[in-house]
Amino acid sequence: NAGVTQTPKFRVLKTGQSMTLLCAQDMNHEYMYWYRQDPGMGLRLIHYSVGEGTTAKGEVPDGYNVSRLKKQNFLLGLESAAPSQTSVYFCASSYDPRDSGFTDTQYFGPGTRLTVL
Amino acid sequence: RKEVEQDPGPFNVPEGATVAFNCTYSNSASQSFFWYRQDCRKEPKLLMSVYSSGNEDGRFTAQLNRASQYISLLIRDSKLSDSATYLCVVTYYGGSQGNLIFGKGTKLSVKP
Repeated sequence: NAGVTQTPKFRVLKTGQSMTLLCAQDMNHEYMYWYRQDPGMGLRLIHYSVGEGTTAKGEVPDGYNVSRLKKQNFLLGLESAAPSQTSVYFCASSYDPRDSGFTDTQYFGPGTRLTVL
Repeated sequence: RKEVEQDPGPFNVPEGATVAFNCTYSNSASQSFFWYRQDCRKEPKLLMSVYSSGNEDGRFTAQLNRASQYISLLIRDSKLSDSATYLCVVTYYGGSQGNLIFGKGTKLSVKP
């Protein structure tokens, strides 16, 4: 049981390049999330998904796209990277929070450190 | 809009000290509450949930005051290994932000 995994762990891009971050979970979780974490800003939600084939915008969705073609995978895409997207990206997953009366937690992947030059 | 606020610290304490962290939240519809721990350059991990009746896990005690919209974490007999950033987290269902709102974290450094 690997939990939540993310690839790649590190990446350096030039402005304007594109890339996809992959998140995979083996806990059969319905919900998956992408966050970014910047110094002094805390964790901010980019996009999330409540099930296979569905996605929704979070707090800071601009410049990112996501897809959830399979229940276990959640992809985050940057079509044209900008220096403002330099950050640490965390993926997380959880069961449907309503099932636990909102007492269940999210499980995080190890993060992807992205630098855009 | 500051939905979850924490003192950023850092809190520098000697081993064996007792340290308390506070957190306030603005959304009265918040439904559940957690403390996460994040080590340097690592992912956040759940430390403990917070219940209205208060709960304790070893050296850690969490309290929730819904009327004041206030959450606390008390660490007794601090260990070097407690050095980390502690994130206050509240959840509510609905809205455009998904359901988990993080504070910016309070950094704790325990010194020998």
